[in-house]
Amino acid sequence: GESVGLHLPTLSVQEGDNSIINCAYSNSASDYFIWYKQESGKGPQFIIDIRSNMDKRQGQRVTVLLNKTVKHLSLQIAATQPGDSAVYFCAEIGTYKYIFGTGTRLKVLA
Amino acid sequence: KAGVTQTPRYLIKTRGQQVTLSCSPISGHRSVSWYQQTPGQGLQFLFEYFSETQRNKGNFPGRFSGRQFSNSRSEMNVSTLELGDSALYLCASSSLRENTEAFFGQGTRLTVV
Repeated sequence: GESVGLHLPTLSVQEGDNSIINCAYSNSASDYFIWYKQESGKGPQFIIDIRSNMDKRQGQRVTVLLNKTVKHLSLQIAATQPGDSAVYFCAEIGTYKYIFGTGTRLKVLA
Repeated sequence: KAGVTQTPRYLIKTRGQQVTLSCSPISGHRSVSWYQQTPGQGLQFLFEYFSETQRNKGNFPGRFSGRQFSNSRSEMNVSTLELGDSALYLCASSSLRENTEAFFGQGTRLTVV
């Protein structure tokens, strides 16, 4: 079925390093994308979004890049901290729904 | 402003039983959607309601149903439970007036034994 896929199911990074999480989406007509963070025992939490008329959007320590040519999203986390350990999902908006991938687990090593 | 509230947080049911889960969206949000999350499957869309009308439905059997009330609160029901229905069920609310983020609740962890 339709889905948003993730290239790296688990990513381990050293504390203080930058993290890059990648995602491929399926629908070239999608015009809105979100990155969510899910910690153990909690629901997904919004991190940052981007619309299709943009290539890049920056937040606090996070940057999302959108490459519509190859239908690719990435989330960059600067100076990764232990509190960033979680599962990260990218999502594209469909018709009255979001289409999520299976998630990438980010492990921050001390 | 209160977030999305889901009740109960945990539930254990026996195969063949039915279950009803509840979701109260953020005040002012009229769109409520439901997702099933299982290990390795990610978040699978169940259905979405807006102003008491189901606008979209995912690829789940008819045992999964939902409804939305006039105050935007939503319930989902699963009948004739199967072991494979064990999952975290997440509710999300959004304004969806235009593309905006969905806010998720903590989820209901359903275990079918």
